[in-house]
Amino acid sequence: AQTVTQSQPEMSVQEAETVTLSCTYDTSESNYYLFWYKQPPSRQMILVIRQEAYKQQNATENRFSVNFQKAAKSFSLKISDSQLGDTAMYFCAFISNFGNEKLTFGTGTRLTIIP
Amino acid sequence: GAGVSQTPSNKVTEKGKYVELRCDPISGHTALYWYRQSLGQGPEFLIYFQGTGAADDSGLPNDRFFAVRPEGSVSTLKIQRTERGDSAVYLCASSPQGASGANVLTFGAGSRLTVL
Repeated sequence: AQTVTQSQPEMSVQEAETVTLSCTYDTSESNYYLFWYKQPPSRQMILVIRQEAYKQQNATENRFSVNFQKAAKSFSLKISDSQLGDTAMYFCAFISNFGNEKLTFGTGTRLTIIP
Repeated sequence: GAGVSQTPSNKVTEKGKYVELRCDPISGHTALYWYRQSLGQGPEFLIYFQGTGAADDSGLPNDRFFAVRPEGSVSTLKIQRTERGDSAVYLCASSPQGASGANVLTFGAGSRLTVL
């Protein structure tokens, strides 16, 4: 079974600064996807960024980028030029690419952007 | 609709009562998922529908939980004889086909269930 670990329950950073959220995972699969989801107080999970395991290039979406280290099973999220609207819970998630329809989530990191 | 709609947004019930939670997915999405998010935790998989059939119900915690999707669109999660431990946010998500990474899930805002 896959597991996803987020070891930072809470983080805070000043507006406009850069912050990195950590995620590690455990799997015996070789082909899978990793995701970062944002959950604001509205409760809706919003996809921030995703990474395919067989792609060596790190995914980037505007101010959001990942550092994917497959051998270390590490998948961190970097938020640059942080904005007040980035305040939310952030969840790292894993899914196998072999017909398994279950997303496995970590326990989340509560990120607060300080004005 | 434009997004995944879940009703009710909040539900308070007494221990032992029956509860139904509704999910209206994005039009045309054949895959539908239910997840449960307990306080301070990440969402946990409950059940996956492909069309009208439950393709994987391995996440349902016990036989008090049941879900249906009779016409391949709206789904209802049913909880019998509710217990205080059932209190959680129940999230629904849909996808054009399956998940498998390539097709991204769109989540609803969830139904918060509180069992007194």
